[in-house]
Amino acid sequence: AQSVTQLDSQVPVFEEAPVELRCNYSSSVSVYLFWYVQYPNQGLQLLLKYLSGSTLVKGINGFEAEFNKSQTSFHLRKPSVHISDTAEYFCAVHSGNTPLVFGKGTRLSVIA
Amino acid sequence: DTGVSQDPRHKITKRGQNVTFRCDPISEHNRLYWYRQTLGQGPEFLTYFQNEAQLEKSRLLSDRFSAERPKGSFSTLEIQRTEQGDSAMYLCASSLPGGNEQFFGPGTRLTVL
Repeated sequence: AQSVTQLDSQVPVFEEAPVELRCNYSSSVSVYLFWYVQYPNQGLQLLLKYLSGSTLVKGINGFEAEFNKSQTSFHLRKPSVHISDTAEYFCAVHSGNTPLVFGKGTRLSVIA
Repeated sequence: DTGVSQDPRHKITKRGQNVTFRCDPISEHNRLYWYRQTLGQGPEFLTYFQNEAQLEKSRLLSDRFSAERPKGSFSTLEIQRTEQGDSAMYLCASSLPGGNEQFFGPGTRLTVL
């Protein structure tokens, strides 16, 4: 069975400051890793994904994440956040054509 | 193609009533997934289809829940005898054959009074 742990339920950060949202996963097989963003009362939008290859993955809106197999982590980073980045962020994993397993989410609040 | 669509976007019902939601996947996506998201939680898998075949059901899917995809295109999720605990956002996603990325719809928010 797979599981995802998002270590921080809420992360407040000042505008233009850097941010890191942490994600650790557990799986006995190779996995694909995803970060989704959810704005209030909306569905999920894919930020970025790791399928294979380079462990540093760049996504939309200036976000990036690094896959670390030895630490089973896939932390999301942005060097400078904007007010518009305020949202819920979900880390998710699957092992290929299987249902996604999500973490509980991290609420990013950007403070002006 | 405009992406995955879901209807209705919001549904308010009284306890004990039946409700049905519809999901239209991206065309040519043969896999279709249903997830449920309660307040403050991540989405949880309910069931998925490959074409018209329902391949897996979560233990979250009680006998009051039923999903269909009769022609391998759109899907419906029905909840019978709704309970207040069914209040949640119901999300639908689809993917290509062999695809690793799931594309999500906007969700249907259910409120059971």
